[in-house]
Amino acid sequence: DTEVTQTPKHLVMGMTNKKSLKCEQHMGHRAMYWYKQKAKKPPELMFVYSYEKLSINESVPSRFSPECPNSSLLNLHLHALQPEDSALYLCASSPTGAVDSNQPQHFGDGTRLSIL
Amino acid sequence: KQEVTQIPAALSVPEGENLVLNCSFTDSAIYNLQWFRQDPGKGLTSLLLIQSSQREQTSGRLNASLDKSSGRSTLYIAASQPGDSATYLCAVKGGSEKLVFGKGTKLTVNP
Repeated sequence: DTEVTQTPKHLVMGMTNKKSLKCEQHMGHRAMYWYKQKAKKPPELMFVYSYEKLSINESVPSRFSPECPNSSLLNLHLHALQPEDSALYLCASSPTGAVDSNQPQHFGDGTRLSIL
Repeated sequence: KQEVTQIPAALSVPEGENLVLNCSFTDSAIYNLQWFRQDPGKGLTSLLLIQSSQREQTSGRLNASLDKSSGRSTLYIAASQPGDSATYLCAVKGGSEKLVFGKGTKLTVNP
């Protein structure tokens, strides 16, 4: 069982819909991450939050909007997505977001997103 | 720009065999290297993390080594089992919070 919980596990939405992905961890970690993974490809970093502040945005289109309401919760708000945005969206956390941290990242099981 | 390569892309072995997965990276200025396992449709499970000052880490039947100067790491799996079948990813952490992943090695262990 993973200690990073993502909901929903599966999501199908139309291109005009608005939906949100949710990620929770109760390990006291202060860094949280969103990754996108296409089939048979490695995960690609989208956003990093460190101490509830956005520290990295990997030039992600504005139709993806991250939010970190508190240290345990990370959301990804979706609006006007395109079919090529269909992928597995993974959330991860680590104790700190420090550049020189040697703590591993812990991943959730992801949300499988399909855009019709 | 850091690039991570994993060879082979796929590997099929009979149960009980010892095997080695390879990972290479282009920029040796790393803080650590992490090996993950991913089962189909699932997230990543962290297996081992080697700090840049370390040469190897062991966990059960797994042993990971790191040669930072040559930009190489290996993951050794002893006495492989069908339950080891998965995709194995290595990722390096450099001068930022970002992990750079290889494309993975898909391992199949046949009973």
